Amino acid sequence: DAGVIQSPRHEVTEMGQEVTLRCKPISGHNSLFWYRQTMMRGLELLIYFNNNVPIDDSGMPEDRFSAKMPNASFSTLKIQPSEPRDSAVYFCASRPDRGSSVGELFFGEGSRLTVL
Amino acid sequence: SQKIEQNSEALNIQEGKTATLTCNYTNYSPAYLQWYRQDPGRGPVFLLLIRENEKEKRKERLKVTFDTTLKQSLFHITASQPADSATYLCALFSGGYNKLIFGAGTRLAVHP
Repeated sequence: DAGVIQSPRHEVTEMGQEVTLRCKPISGHNSLFWYRQTMMRGLELLIYFNNNVPIDDSGMPEDRFSAKMPNASFSTLKIQPSEPRDSAVYFCASRPDRGSSVGELFFGEGSRLTVL
Repeated sequence: SQKIEQNSEALNIQEGKTATLTCNYTNYSPAYLQWYRQDPGRGPVFLLLIRENEKEKRKERLKVTFDTTLKQSLFHITASQPADSATYLCALFSGGYNKLIFGAGTRLAVHP
C-alpha cells in the first residue's frame, strides 16, 4: 500500500483565499484524522471521522474551517477565508478499527500551508 | 485541565549511550500510551504501544515503561546511533479510543 497520501505538499496563498487540502487514507482503514502542527502548539487534533461520518470536530478552530469525507477513500479540509495564523503543517492520518494495528495511526507526509 | 508534558529542551547524547525520554500526564486515565518518531519534514511514525496493565514493553533497542501511579512513561533507546536523531512524541487516548492527543515532543540528537 502507498500509505496515506496528502496533497498538496506545499501551498502558499494570500490572506482571504480559499485553501483545500486533500487526503487519501489507507484502503480498509475506517477512521481518519486531521491534525495541525505548529511550533507553538504542537500537534492538535482538528477532527476525526469514523466510517466517513464526522465524530468529533471540537478541535476545529472556527467556522472558517470545514472538513468532509464523501467516501471511504477521500477527505478534504477546507479553510475559507484563510488567514496568516492558519500557517502550519496539516497532517492526515488513518487507522484500522480492528486487527493488530488497533490504536496505531498512520500519518501522511503533511501539507505545509503558508498564508501571506 | 488535561496535560501531556515532554521535555521541551533537546536531549544531546553520545553514540552508544542510552537515551531516556520522559512523558508525564495529568488528568488522564489512559488505557494505552503510544510513542511516535517524527523526522524533519515528515509525518509521525508509530513505534510502540503500551497498555495500562503492562509495566514494560520492548522492541529491538527500544524500551517503554508505563507507571500509572506516577502518571509517567519513560522511553529508552539503548546503544543509540546518529540515525536515532529525531523528535519523539508520546500520545494518549482521550475520551475513548478515537481521540489521540500528542505531547509536544522531545528532540533527540545523537552525536558520533
